[in-house]
Amino acid sequence: GQQLNQSPQSMFIQEGEDVSMNCTSSSIFNTWLWYKQEPGEGPVLLIALYKAGELTSNGRLTAQFGITRKDSFLNISASIPSDVGIYFCAGQMDSNYQLIWGAGTKLIIKP
Amino acid sequence: KAGVTQTPRYLIKTRGQQVTLSCSPISGHRSVSWYQQTPGQGLQFLFEYFSETQRNKGNFPGRFSGRQFSNSRSEMNVSTLELGDSALYLCASSFRKAGETQYFGPGTRLLVL
Repeated sequence: GQQLNQSPQSMFIQEGEDVSMNCTSSSIFNTWLWYKQEPGEGPVLLIALYKAGELTSNGRLTAQFGITRKDSFLNISASIPSDVGIYFCAGQMDSNYQLIWGAGTKLIIKP
Repeated sequence: KAGVTQTPRYLIKTRGQQVTLSCSPISGHRSVSWYQQTPGQGLQFLFEYFSETQRNKGNFPGRFSGRQFSNSRSEMNVSTLELGDSALYLCASSFRKAGETQYFGPGTRLLVL
């Protein structure tokens, strides 16, 4: 099925570094969602975006809904060990359609 | 408010058997979606139920089926299990539409031997 292009696929960073990941699509979306999944658990919603250009923060996390409505990015500032996990983006084109998911960005923090 | 619950959390079956997984959505949520997640893969959409009716379906064989009850609880069934069915099966609920913000359960990890 259709997927969003999420990059990077994985990231190896040092504790304290900032992290940036993004999702792009050839289609216009009305909603962008960012989730985090830890091993053996279901994804947990981090940030929801509903308007083009919207910039929303959740603690050290900041996400933006691209002006073209075809992309979104997620930034994590000053990473800490508990940030480890897989981050997924999901987009929705229309309220009657299913969410479309990115393949995930695996975040690993180097000791 | 209690979150989405899934039972069982872990399951081991053998090829050819069938399995039924259960999902209880957040109270008041009427849409329930099911996903399959294999190691290193994203979420593959199975189907969505709303008001006891299947509203959307992904590209999975007919061995995968589901249903929803009047209290919005949902079950999914996989018949004639194959080794490739080993995965984490996730259930997500939302208030009215699957496209709304979905809240996930912890998943059922199925191992087929």
